Amino acid sequence: GQQVMQIPQYQHVQEGEDFTTYCNSSTTLSNIQWYKQRPGGHPVFLIQLVKSGEVKKQKRLTFQFGEAKKNSSLHITATQTTDVGTYFCAGTPNNNDMRFGAGTRLTVKP
Amino acid sequence: DGGITQSPKYLFRKEGQNVTLSCEQNLNHDAMYWYRQDPGQGLRLIYYSQIVNDFQKGDIAEGYSVSREKKESFPLTVTSAQKNPTAFYLCASTSTGSSGNTIYFGEGSWLTVV
Repeated sequence: GQQVMQIPQYQHVQEGEDFTTYCNSSTTLSNIQWYKQRPGGHPVFLIQLVKSGEVKKQKRLTFQFGEAKKNSSLHITATQTTDVGTYFCAGTPNNNDMRFGAGTRLTVKP
Repeated sequence: DGGITQSPKYLFRKEGQNVTLSCEQNLNHDAMYWYRQDPGQGLRLIYYSQIVNDFQKGDIAEGYSVSREKKESFPLTVTSAQKNPTAFYLCASTSTGSSGNTIYFGEGSWLTVV
């Protein structure tokens, strides 16, 4: 069953507001990845985090990996309409198969 | 260009029929995956294969079958035993680097039962 939990399921923000989505795993992850899926499209890789406590930034996006390697977050500062889509985290609990979170669907009101 | 190719992009199936979705990759990846995505839902793992001639069931394998006779190909058959097959199907493959796997997705196949 689902081993990676992601919240919230939906988030609607006004353009310019910040946005955060969170992922939690019941087991330690060897790494965690984040993907973005635009409406009607397929998931596209954004970033991978491997080290405990790792923080990476991509312009307005900040990704964090927890110290225990069981949780992660994606934060978008000052959202824009181009940020619309569903953001998925994906963790590898046992180095055999990757499990995706259910995704957070972000909508941005201009 | 390297990538993952899924076909067909749209497929209609009559109840009781089996259909096969194609997935081909020229990325020289060892691992390949099939996910199902229902409207507004996340990705659920159907089957995955780490190596040629071997594959493992994912979370929702019932009603589906796969084969991995070649490294480049991982077709998915949706059988008549799958009670609710209408969904978006995504094939993916991974490279195995020293710091983990990065998944590359195909563009997906929309299957509708009519």
